[in-house]
Amino acid sequence: EAGVAQSPRYKIIEKRQSVAFWCNPISGHATLYWYQQILGQGPKLLIQFQNNGVVDDSQLPKDRFSAERLKGVDSTLKIQPAKLEDSAVYLCASSPTGWGRVGYTFGSGTRLTVV
Amino acid sequence: GEDVEQSLFLSVREGDSSVINCTYTDSSSTYLYWYKQEPGAGLQLLTYIFSNMDMKQDQRLTVLLNKKDKHLSLRIADTQTGDSAIYFCAEASISGGYNKLIFGAGTRLAVHP
Repeated sequence: EAGVAQSPRYKIIEKRQSVAFWCNPISGHATLYWYQQILGQGPKLLIQFQNNGVVDDSQLPKDRFSAERLKGVDSTLKIQPAKLEDSAVYLCASSPTGWGRVGYTFGSGTRLTVV
Repeated sequence: GEDVEQSLFLSVREGDSSVINCTYTDSSSTYLYWYKQEPGAGLQLLTYIFSNMDMKQDQRLTVLLNKKDKHLSLRIADTQTGDSAIYFCAEASISGGYNKLIFGAGTRLAVHP
């Protein structure tokens, strides 16, 4: 099966600019996640979708970050305006219903550098 | 609260065994996982253990779970240079009726000849 696709792979922007990331999960996976991984740290969950509804966005800085999942498939994560501390790798993952034994499948991530 | 802790760095000689340790906080976690991350790549699931198990072996990998102490370990036998990577421990935690994975900061494994 095809994996989780993310684009772009790399992005460099100036602070206060906006940026958007795209994710295409594995076909049939109901749940989609966006994680932020700052250099030297573990991934931190930003937002979790179940089909096209948000089930957890408690760690999402809603004053600047937004995300949507259209028709329960692809998702975009947007940052507007970006800050220096947003420099990180943004990982998208997906999982099927009843994912205990299979865990999440991660994409390769988008590395964002804010200068 | 949710917190997964790991030691940050481990250096081993090629051919030796590596043991990476992790402590977690959510005693209700049903599954616990080990993920591997190579440079520039996403996270790859290595193995998991169900909470009612004490040990799981999968080829060169052995996972030990001590539920009383909330301690998880990953042993890699006959460590090779290709095992050099960052290893993340993760617990499945329930929030708002949904499971989510909470990750530790990762242990960087360096394998030298």
